[in-house]
Amino acid sequence: SQTIHQWPATLVQPVGSPLSLECTVEGTSNPNLYWYRQAAGRGLQLLFYSVGIGQISSEVPQNLSASRPQDRQFILSSKKLLLSDSGFYLCAWSRNRGNQPQHFGDGTRLSIL
Amino acid sequence: DAKTTQPPSMDCAEGRAANLPCNHSTISGNEYVYWYRQIHSQGPQYIIHGLKNNETNEMASLIITEDRKSSTLILPHATLRDTAVYYCIVTYPASYDKVIFGPGTSLSVIP
Repeated sequence: SQTIHQWPATLVQPVGSPLSLECTVEGTSNPNLYWYRQAAGRGLQLLFYSVGIGQISSEVPQNLSASRPQDRQFILSSKKLLLSDSGFYLCAWSRNRGNQPQHFGDGTRLSIL
Repeated sequence: DAKTTQPPSMDCAEGRAANLPCNHSTISGNEYVYWYRQIHSQGPQYIIHGLKNNETNEMASLIITEDRKSSTLILPHATLRDTAVYYCIVTYPASYDKVIFGPGTSLSVIP
């Protein structure tokens, strides 16, 4: 069966510090991968998605970047965090063919001080 | 992609059926209806999806009207663990960049 791992579960970082959140998927190959952010009490906002190694599409202009160095690894980064980067970050995967649901990790709660 | 409209909140008595409505009046012919739920502080969980026929799985049933402009997610015997935010999403197959999670419906199952 397929599993998705995200870490860390919670993170407290000072403004201006760098960020690296990692997501890995097991039990499938060539998945589509996604990063979402959820502000408190709000819906999910798609930040990035990837259909293959090194292929990243950005949905919104922002202070963050994403990379996919391996088939089942997706990394969310920032060089300098802003207060507005606080939120709940979720990684998801789906099979790379049509009509497939997305499957989410447990998320990382990021607080910027 | 078509937008969806859901009530912001609903209550349901434990053991009763929970019927969660969703309006998607601008849905296109090949757009699917997906439902997810998010229990507090967890990632969303896929529940069910359909195109035009009614669907059922071990978690829920999905009823789509004949004109496809609305749908209802049915949890047949709600438990306290079904308390969550439920998202109705309409999207094209493989339209991975267009899956929009709105505010959803906050379902409270009451003992």
